[in-house]
Amino acid sequence: NAGVTQTPKFQVLKTGQSMTLQCAQDMNHEYMSWYRQDPGMGLRLIHYSVGAGITDQGEVPNGYNVSRSTTEDFPLRLLSAAPSQTSVYFCASRRTTYGYTFGSGTRLTVV
Amino acid sequence: DAKTTQPPSMDCAEGRAANLPCNHSTISGNEYVYWYRQIHSQGPQYIIHGLKNNETNEMASLIITEDRKSSTLILPHATLRDTAVYYCIVIPLKTSYDKVIFGPGTSLSVIP
Repeated sequence: NAGVTQTPKFQVLKTGQSMTLQCAQDMNHEYMSWYRQDPGMGLRLIHYSVGAGITDQGEVPNGYNVSRSTTEDFPLRLLSAAPSQTSVYFCASRRTTYGYTFGSGTRLTVV
Repeated sequence: DAKTTQPPSMDCAEGRAANLPCNHSTISGNEYVYWYRQIHSQGPQYIIHGLKNNETNEMASLIITEDRKSSTLILPHATLRDTAVYYCIVIPLKTSYDKVIFGPGTSLSVIP
């Protein structure tokens, strides 16, 4: 198993650009989530999903969209990048009774 | 808001046991206690979890009080590589609502 795979690992965007952060898991996990972590800060939940076709907002959803068309994939879309979205983004997945497995993160800089 | 509270920081001498407390006084009957740690800027790493019994694995031990309102993560012989931020969170057994919120955690410094 590859676990949770995030791509790209690094990205620089210009203000106003859009992009999609990819997240894929091969463990058949039902639940998936996106977190962001600003420098020196804790993890903040952006969006989460409890299964294919079901998503919901977390603590800081503004400026981000998600979809879950398959169990394996949970992409995060930045609609119009802003410098405030400079952060490290972590995707995580889990199944019932188990905790989250995290990806290695995408380090995004918006200039 | 996070359902748990932890001290912001702790120090531990290398080779000694590190005991990290967590308060989860509003925990529900179907919620597990999970512990994660995050070393530098890596993705959080799972350590251990439990429902109401004490648990032990190769990394740590988890002691949950009888009323389940608090728990303690024990690293039996702390090493410098255990320096990290430790998160205590509660996660329900199965739910259509999986809004798992991390608190700020405890920053553990293992001192030579």
